[in-house]
Amino acid sequence: GEDVEQSLFLSVREGDSSVINCTYTDSSSTYLYWYKQEPGAGLQLLTYIFSNMDMKQDQRLTVLLNKKDKHLSLRIADTQTGDSAIYFCAESDSGNTPLVFGKGTRLSVIA
Amino acid sequence: GAVVSQHPSRVICKSGTSVKIECRSLDFQATTMFWYRQFPKQSLMLMATSNEGSKATYEQGVEKDKFLINHASLTLSTLTVTSAHPEDSSFYICSARDQSGANVLTFGAGSRLTVL
Repeated sequence: GEDVEQSLFLSVREGDSSVINCTYTDSSSTYLYWYKQEPGAGLQLLTYIFSNMDMKQDQRLTVLLNKKDKHLSLRIADTQTGDSAIYFCAESDSGNTPLVFGKGTRLSVIA
Repeated sequence: GAVVSQHPSRVICKSGTSVKIECRSLDFQATTMFWYRQFPKQSLMLMATSNEGSKATYEQGVEKDKFLINHASLTLSTLTVTSAHPEDSSFYICSARDQSGANVLTFGAGSRLTVL
């Protein structure tokens, strides 16, 4: 079945950029997502990208997609302590199938 | 934007009792909702897909009789953990697909179940 992989931990200093990487196996992925989970809370959609796009930028967030390598990344510019959370990568191959999530990357921001 | 309300946020129960968790889409209709279980080491496990007006579709390894799902209306899905045991203690999160067409899921805030 489909699989989504991401590293479990990332630690950065406040003010630096964070880059969270994700790889997936489903070549028919249509949508790719980044969700953020703060402690004790549900998941919050940060952004998503269509598979026919290479990049999407939204304020401090930049998503890069390399469809050939099935690699997705999320860059957070000027990382703040409030960005500390778990970030989940997910993919979907159509409008009706459940999303497949990675295990999440725990981002720790050091002041 | 789309909002999903999940209740209760925390529940503690005795072993052998049943617990019901509600998931409501507040400002949109959701024909499909998803129930996830999150383990202590972060990973999300899809338990089942809840379909309005029909039976839920369970993932492999999830006991249908243990985790009862009912999706009786376009805005409400419920998960009942029957005869709960300590190993059922977990964080349960529901989600609903919004109507954007991009298969975006809006998540509830989650329910922390502790079975004593």
